[in-house]
Amino acid sequence: DAGITQSPRYKITETGRQVTLMCHQTWSHSYMFWYRQDLGHGLRLIYYSAAADITDKGEVPDGYVVSRSKTENFPLTLESATRSQTSVYFCASRTGDRGSTGELFFGEGSRLTVL
Amino acid sequence: EDQVTQSPEALRLQEGESSSLNCSYTVSGLRGLFWYRQDPGKGPEFLFTLYSAGEEKEKERLKATLTKKESFLHITAPKPEDSATYLCATFSGSARQLTFGSGTQLTVLP
Repeated sequence: DAGITQSPRYKITETGRQVTLMCHQTWSHSYMFWYRQDLGHGLRLIYYSAAADITDKGEVPDGYVVSRSKTENFPLTLESATRSQTSVYFCASRTGDRGSTGELFFGEGSRLTVL
Repeated sequence: EDQVTQSPEALRLQEGESSSLNCSYTVSGLRGLFWYRQDPGKGPEFLFTLYSAGEEKEKERLKATLTKKESFLHITAPKPEDSATYLCATFSGSARQLTFGSGTQLTVLP
């Protein structure tokens, strides 16, 4: 099915473990994003990518690593998870058109709990 | 740094009771203001784009308006299915990507 899918939808891990959240989109959108959503903070941008092999930091990148070897995939890795990284993570994508700057398509989210 | 503030944080309405949600912003060189709807357990869904003061957009019971300092999302005769969290976001000349507000959680009671 066309769209943007995230996996896993739910993950419980322990402090210090490495975790990778996967994001796959079938639209061939050039831009992809990772956000975290926490009560009282709204959506905060972690990293984004304008194209394959091009990534850039957002507002809260510390503790996270991203890669984009293929246009359709944009995994987010927590190299050593901390409790403060407990959150709901959303992947999003959009076209490269200037007129579509604010029209993001979001996945269903990945709820991560770090114990 | 761009700032986006939404109010109220939560709003409870009776079915049919019209109201407005507010999104005030402080940005340098606004290039667009965007409204999203988010249902529980789901990702946000794009609703509207507004580019300049005075612009209005409508979709069913929703109408978004924009001034130089804020945007309103007017909900006319809401129904229970309009219950959701509504997010606004800005894109400016100084920020490289969207800045989101914290959202207004709307509950419409039957």
